[in-house]
Amino acid sequence: GDSVVQTEGQVLPSEGDSLIVNCSYETTQYPSLFWYVQYPGEGPQLHLKAMKANDKGRNKGFEAMYRKETTSFHLEKDSVQESDSAVYFCALRSKSSGDKLTFGTGTRLAVRP
Amino acid sequence: NAGVTQTPKFRVLKTGQSMTLLCAQDMNHEYMYWYRQDPGMGLRLIHYSVGEGTTAKGEVPDGYNVSRLKKQNFLLGLESAAPSQTSVYFCASSSHRAGNEKLFFGSGTQLSVL
Repeated sequence: GDSVVQTEGQVLPSEGDSLIVNCSYETTQYPSLFWYVQYPGEGPQLHLKAMKANDKGRNKGFEAMYRKETTSFHLEKDSVQESDSAVYFCALRSKSSGDKLTFGTGTRLAVRP
Repeated sequence: NAGVTQTPKFRVLKTGQSMTLLCAQDMNHEYMYWYRQDPGMGLRLIHYSVGEGTTAKGEVPDGYNVSRLKKQNFLLGLESAAPSQTSVYFCASSSHRAGNEKLFFGSGTQLSVL
C-alpha cells in the first residue's frame, strides 16, 4: 500500500532561519501530494498541494516541489516566523489507496523567538 | 460559516462504556471520514463514507462502528470502550468531484478511556 515518511518528529529553528521539512513517499500509482497544517486546538487544514511531477505548491512563503525521480515532497521556507509554529503533515492520494489520503506521522515546527 | 462540527469536544469514559461521536457538515459534501490522531502515529483513517447510506472500513476500524443515515451527518460509535481508544478523533469531509482534493476537518474530540 501507499506510505509517507516524515523523518523529523520535531524541528526547532529560530525566527528568521531557513527551513526544510522532509517528506518521502511510496506508491505504485501516480499520486497527488499535499501538506496539511494543524495549529494548536484545531483540525488540520490544507496548506499546499501539487498534482503532478515538477509542480510546485506555494502558500504563505512555504514551497514544496513534487519530485518524482526522488519520490519526495519536502516543505521549505526561506525565513520562518513564530506564527508558523504548528504540526505539518505530508500526505498523498492515489488510485492504489482508493483515492483516500495517506498521511505521514507529522512534524512539529516550534519556532523560537 | 460552520463547516464541519464535531460534538462533544471532550469526553471521559470508563472501560466498557459506550458512546457516539457526532459529525455534521453543511457543505453538501459527498465524502466523510473519521480519523484518530495519536502521538507519533499521525492521522489514521478509521472508517469513511462515499455517500448517504454507505460506509467502508479504513486503516484501523476494529472496535468502532459508523452510520451515515443523512448526507450531512456521520456518526462514530464505540460499543465497549478500551484504554487503547484514548485518542483525539477528527471528522473530515470532501467533495466527490474529481480533482477536488481538499479535506475539511472538524476541531476534534479528545477522548480518554480510563
